[in-house]
Amino acid sequence: GAVVSQHPSRVICKSGTSVKIECRSLDFQATTMFWYRQFPKQSLMLMATSNEGSKATYEQGVEKDKFLINHASLTLSTLTVTSAHPEDSSFYICSARDLSGRTYNEQFFGPGTRLTVL
Amino acid sequence: RKEVEQDPGPFNVPEGATVAFNCTYSNSASQSFFWYRQDCRKEPKLLMSVYSSGNEDGRFTAQLNRASQYISLLIRDSKLSDSATYLCVVNPRAAGNKLTFGGGTRVLVKP
Repeated sequence: GAVVSQHPSRVICKSGTSVKIECRSLDFQATTMFWYRQFPKQSLMLMATSNEGSKATYEQGVEKDKFLINHASLTLSTLTVTSAHPEDSSFYICSARDLSGRTYNEQFFGPGTRLTVL
Repeated sequence: RKEVEQDPGPFNVPEGATVAFNCTYSNSASQSFFWYRQDCRKEPKLLMSVYSSGNEDGRFTAQLNRASQYISLLIRDSKLSDSATYLCVVNPRAAGNKLTFGGGTRVLVKP
């Protein structure tokens, strides 16, 4: 299947700092990527849909000024958590759809980024 | 009411036994259905899509009941490596490509 990478895999930062997370599709182009957040023992919650070359679409309750998304190329989307606070500590996962061939309907997930805000 | 609901478990399953669990969804217009598997502190991985006629992949069988709005997953001859959280995932028709995840059902296979 298609491969999606995320960087960093883990980050620990102080409260008030900003953290950038990268999501890359390694062997396919992705016009759309998705950003999820997962708190312990809870399911994945979609935060926003990242669209290449246009503004991201945020889910209800997600602050667009706090979670900045940039999708500047067909293989890279970034999520920046601005002025992070301890309640932002979570597992952030991105996914991308491979629009080619057999895997058309499947979303491939990155390995996730575990953010801890002290 | 949650859009996608699952029994969180855990389902404690003896090795070699069969386990089955369901997932209910609220949006009757939902178009696509999937089972994903998530291991602890890892990303979800697609286990199988769920088709209207039901489908089987090795020891795993998935079924869809549109009238009652639920999907099911059955695991036969459980292996220790089947221990994981199984996520029911629905793609509501009106939501484009967005996926809605259930809370997951935890399965623990024991020797």
